[in-house]
Amino acid sequence: EDQVTQSPEALRLQEGESSSLNCSYTVSGLRGLFWYRQDPGKGPEFLFTLYSAGEEKEKERLKATLTKKESFLHITAPKPEDSATYLCAVQAASGTYKYIFGTGTRLKVLA
Amino acid sequence: GAVVSQHPSWVICKSGTSVKIECRSLDFQATTMFWYRQFPKQSLMLMATSNEGSKATYEQGVEKDKFLINHASLTLSTLTVTSAHPEDSSFYICSASHRDYEQYFGPGTRLTVT
Repeated sequence: EDQVTQSPEALRLQEGESSSLNCSYTVSGLRGLFWYRQDPGKGPEFLFTLYSAGEEKEKERLKATLTKKESFLHITAPKPEDSATYLCAVQAASGTYKYIFGTGTRLKVLA
Repeated sequence: GAVVSQHPSWVICKSGTSVKIECRSLDFQATTMFWYRQFPKQSLMLMATSNEGSKATYEQGVEKDKFLINHASLTLSTLTVTSAHPEDSSFYICSASHRDYEQYFGPGTRLTVT
């Protein structure tokens, strides 16, 4: 069964304290892995798409990496405005191309 | 680019009435649109997938007669919650994709049924 697991569930960081969020997945053929940021009461905001193992994408303080079993979202020197829930989703290579979502990591960055 | 809008952003209705939520892709053609429901502090739950001009595909356990989805054009999909009850109160989010690549999400609609 296709599955996505994110860890940790919640993370508190001091401003400037770098860390990584994990997204482990099992899927019968990966078409794509997607990272989103969601603020309370809003829809998810697209961050990255990763397609193959070894691929890396960067945007400001965020860097996403992908292996054959997991993806990491590295946050370098976070700021309070990076506080949000970060969602990971995978899309299988076959079938309807719908997303399988993880449960998310709630990040709080303290000033 | 890749902007998706939803209307209304919040709605309050009485039990037994119907509510329509619109989802529009503003700057791209959405070959596929998705409708999700989200409960507090939980991840998104896919309700249905719709392709332009076709009937929606509903996830197991979602009542298709209660949640009517229409995808009339490449930029518009609507979700109608029929005969709404308090248990239908939730945060509804749509997303749109072009050729089944990444999904872009709308800002969500908060539905409260009294």
